[in-house]
Amino acid sequence: GGIITQTPKFLIGQEGQKLTLKCQQNFNHDTMYWYRQDSGKGLRLIYYSITENDLQKGDLSEGYDASREKKSSFSLTVTSAQKNEMAVFLCASSMGGARGEQYFGPGTRLTVL
Amino acid sequence: GEKVEQHESTLSVREGDSAVINCTYTDTASSYFPWYKQEAGKSLHFVIDIRSNVDRKQSQRLIVLLDKKAKRFSLHITATQPEDSAIYFCAASEGSNYQLIWGSGTKLIIKP
Repeated sequence: GGIITQTPKFLIGQEGQKLTLKCQQNFNHDTMYWYRQDSGKGLRLIYYSITENDLQKGDLSEGYDASREKKSSFSLTVTSAQKNEMAVFLCASSMGGARGEQYFGPGTRLTVL
Repeated sequence: GEKVEQHESTLSVREGDSAVINCTYTDTASSYFPWYKQEAGKSLHFVIDIRSNVDRKQSQRLIVLLDKKAKRFSLHITATQPEDSAIYFCAASEGSNYQLIWGSGTKLIIKP
């Protein structure tokens, strides 16, 4: 079996700050995803990557950058944190595309003061 | 673009009874419909999926039904147990191979 790790588990930032979230997987999966989960809402796709150095925007990409420098890692940057923002950011990976099981990390909980 | 609506935000059933969670979608091109479970304090994990070439799939106590005409799919959990308590998310693949569109989640409570 494999595992997805996300760091940090909790992230507290200030308004306007640039914040980076990291994700590592050892499944050797090609595709990785970053989702945002807001309370009472479904997951919304921010970015995905189908292979090393590939980046594809999801519906929620504005205000975020991403980087996939290695097959095993995928990082997400909040370019300018918004005051009172609170959400959980979930990283996932899958062998192929969306039509196969996605494996999720434990999440990073962001709070912006 | 595709929209997925999950109709029950909370569902409470007695232990041993069946639970049914319903989702509808808008894009007739959608062909892949997975379900994920999120237990309290944990991340999501896959439970079952269905593809548009079938209208029913069962895995132990989980049954997924797909009605393409009505653009509706549902998760049936039979003989519910306390460990079934969780938030369940439905999703649909809109045709591109990489993006899932997610429902807003149903919190399932199993009463003793």
